[in-house]
Amino acid sequence: NAGVTQTPKFQVLKTGQSMTLQCAQDMNHNSMYWYRQDPGMGLRLIYYSASEGTTDKGEVPNGYNVSRLNKREFSLRLESAAPSQTSVYFCASTRAMNTEAFFGQGTRLTVV
Amino acid sequence: QKEVEQNSGPLSVPEGAIASLNCTYSDRGSQSFFWYRQYSGKSPELIMFIYSNGDKEDGRFTAQLNKASQYVSLLIRDSQPSDSATYLCAVINSGGGADGLTFGKGTHLIIQP
Repeated sequence: NAGVTQTPKFQVLKTGQSMTLQCAQDMNHNSMYWYRQDPGMGLRLIYYSASEGTTDKGEVPNGYNVSRLNKREFSLRLESAAPSQTSVYFCASTRAMNTEAFFGQGTRLTVV
Repeated sequence: QKEVEQNSGPLSVPEGAIASLNCTYSDRGSQSFFWYRQYSGKSPELIMFIYSNGDKEDGRFTAQLNKASQYVSLLIRDSQPSDSATYLCAVINSGGGADGLTFGKGTHLIIQP
């Protein structure tokens, strides 16, 4: 009963490097989200996908891109990592927009 | 900007007592309300949701909603050390869209043995 699975769990990048965070859900949910969580800032929405084939910007999209590969998978790409992107990243999914969210286990990313 | 406010804490409660966590929201048209628990270094976990005014009970947890006053609360009865965590309030705002799900910054709860 996996739910939402993220990879990797930990990553250290050098400034300017690129990487892709992977997310997959097995709950047949339509909507998927990427959040970042920083101390004192709470959860902030980066990008979301309301349904397969669509993606939209959230509150803090700069420096990120996303791909909704299929109904199950939603990836987040950092093209040129910056120290300001050091954070914990969570993928989440919902059955439909504006229903309860289920979260992956998170990716702790450090950019040095 | 739709806002969800929580006292960051820490809120310290003796073991066995009732822990009371509060949340206020700015959008009067909000319809759905959730409480998530997040242990340190872990992901948020949904523990309660409430849609209607009044109380909703699930085991040791009771969610309370007062739409007129725009607040939602979570009561934890017979608090246990394992309840020590950060509790996030989340609200679905009336406007819809992905930013319709707004999270508070959380209240850090400490249950003292």
